[in-house]
Amino acid sequence: GAGVSQTPSNKVTEKGKYVELRCDPISGHTALYWYRQSLGQGPEFLIYFQGTGAADDSGLPNDRFFAVRPEGSVSTLKIQRTERGDSAVYLCASSLRGTNQETQYFGPGTRLLVL
Amino acid sequence: AQRVTQPEKLLSVFKGAPVELKCNYSYSGSPELFWYVQYSRQRLQLLLRHISRESIKGFTADLNKGETSFHLKKPFAQEEDSAMYYCALSGTSGTYKYIFGTGTRLKVLA
Repeated sequence: GAGVSQTPSNKVTEKGKYVELRCDPISGHTALYWYRQSLGQGPEFLIYFQGTGAADDSGLPNDRFFAVRPEGSVSTLKIQRTERGDSAVYLCASSLRGTNQETQYFGPGTRLLVL
Repeated sequence: AQRVTQPEKLLSVFKGAPVELKCNYSYSGSPELFWYVQYSRQRLQLLLRHISRESIKGFTADLNKGETSFHLKKPFAQEEDSAMYYCALSGTSGTYKYIFGTGTRLKVLA
């Protein structure tokens, strides 16, 4: 079946602008994670959804970052007043139920460049 | 603090040589450990996890709780093993988010 998909694959924006990044998880997966990967680093956790609710948003760096998952499937990561430091690859992952023994399946990522 | 350390940024070996990618972790409890691989222009994908105790593509990894390590090994490297390898842990409670190491790039030379 189809894996996790993310759109757009690349996004270039100017400092101060607003961006939205979309994630389509594997059908039936209730758990959805967002990670951010800066150059030369491993992915870093941002936020976790179980169904429609954000169960853990402890990784969001500040209040410019927000994410939603209104119907428990597609999720959107929103970044307001973008800064050059927000430039990174944003990864989405999903798993069936969200237990620690499950595999998380990753999308291809959205490469965000803030000029 | 919860942390995963991969001390080598780059590891180069010749084809047919043994490979060991190091991973050490810090976690108060018994986490689940994973190895993920990213081949060129592909997405991050699971290579193996310690709970499965299986060998994938000739790779194995043993969890050593005393040394808090989960090193990835392969007896004979192949050129197609060249990729970026990430070690990750998932906790035993809460949201089971992954904590990743910084990754090791493996280059297998002909």
